[in-house]
Amino acid sequence: AQKVTQAQTEISVVEKEDVTLDCVYETRDTTYYLFWYKQPPSGELVFLIRRNSFDEQNEISGRYSWNFQKSTSSFNFTITASQVVDSAVYFCALSINSGGSNYKLTFGKGTLLTVNP
Amino acid sequence: KAGVTQTPRYLIKTRGQQVTLSCSPISGHRSVSWYQQTPGQGLQFLFEYFSETQRNKGNFPGRFSGRQFSNSRSEMNVSTLELGDSALYLCASSSVGGALNYGYTFGSGTRLTVV
Repeated sequence: AQKVTQAQTEISVVEKEDVTLDCVYETRDTTYYLFWYKQPPSGELVFLIRRNSFDEQNEISGRYSWNFQKSTSSFNFTITASQVVDSAVYFCALSINSGGSNYKLTFGKGTLLTVNP
Repeated sequence: KAGVTQTPRYLIKTRGQQVTLSCSPISGHRSVSWYQQTPGQGLQFLFEYFSETQRNKGNFPGRFSGRQFSNSRSEMNVSTLELGDSALYLCASSSVGGALNYGYTFGSGTRLTVV
């Protein structure tokens, strides 16, 4: 079975601080996909990134960066110079490419990030 | 391009009643998934449909059911509502579904309150 753990339930930072959200996953499959989603107060989940298990390159997109390490089964997300608009719940998710489990996302419990002005 | 549309946004029902929620995916998307979000259990997968066929189902009782129409619109139904069914129900669409797709696009959800 698949499992995603986001150990940080809540994080509070002051604007312009850097913040890292941790994500650890478990799966026996060698082919899998990892996702990060942002959920603002309005409720919808906003897609941020998808990474497949064969691509360990880190990625940077503006103030966002992701560190994927298969050796530690982690897919951490860093926001540089945080802003108040980054305040939201962030979810890490896993999808595997085998059989009936192919068509679902397994989510972590989420990390509530509050950025204070 | 219109996003994923879920109706209604808010719903209040009484225990024992049944409810139907609707999801219209992005035009051209054929896969629709449903998730339940509660404070205690987090985001849990309900089921996924592609071209009117259910391809995967989560671990929920038979009171939860769904279907997909030929235009890819999907509905989910919950019968004999219980207080524990109070949740945000999110719908997600993708072009082909599954892990091979680039990412699921979620709707804003339907917040169901059972009293």
